[in-house]
Amino acid sequence: GAVVSQHPSRVICKSGTSVKIECRSLDFQATTMFWYRQFPKQSLMLMATSNEGSKATYEQGVEKDKFLINHASLTLSTLTVTSAHPEDSSFYICSARGRLAVSYEQYFGPGTRLTVT
Amino acid sequence: DAKTTQPPSMDCAEGRAANLPCNHSTISGNEYVYWYRQIHSQGPQYIIHGLKNNETNEMASLIITEDRKSSTLILPHATLRDTAVYYCIVRVSSNDYKLSFGAGTTVTVRA
Repeated sequence: GAVVSQHPSRVICKSGTSVKIECRSLDFQATTMFWYRQFPKQSLMLMATSNEGSKATYEQGVEKDKFLINHASLTLSTLTVTSAHPEDSSFYICSARGRLAVSYEQYFGPGTRLTVT
Repeated sequence: DAKTTQPPSMDCAEGRAANLPCNHSTISGNEYVYWYRQIHSQGPQYIIHGLKNNETNEMASLIITEDRKSSTLILPHATLRDTAVYYCIVRVSSNDYKLSFGAGTTVTVRA
């Protein structure tokens, strides 16, 4: 299957700082990317959907000014957690769909573990 | 999208078949059943999906009841590497492709 990478895999930042997480589709053009968040021992929660060249669509309860999503190219989407707080510590996972993908083809990245101290 | 119900956990023996149930009693006629799994601290992985017919691929088999209110994912010969959380998701194929993950079933394969 297609490959999606995330960088960094782990990041520790201080409270009040911002951190950027990258999601790349390595061998296909991702017209749509999704960002999920997963707290320990919980399931994945969809945060937002981004289409290349468009503004992201955020799920209810997700602060768009805090979680900035940019999908400027067909192979890269970024999630920036602004003014991070300890409660933002979580596992962030992206997934991507290609232009010609069939219904089930959504490829997930390996995730980024964010720890805010 | 219809809600699904899965047992929180199950154990199975290495080399034996693992049968993972999922209830989706409110499923609509145009909703598919998808299965994903998530190995610890990794991103989810697609396993299989189906509408009403049973499906099989290199990873697993999916058995959907005739009334479509429940399904079973079968891992034919479980290995230790199959230890993961397995998610049963029901959704309309032609919608915005968002996946709604429930709690899933934590499957532990024991030697």
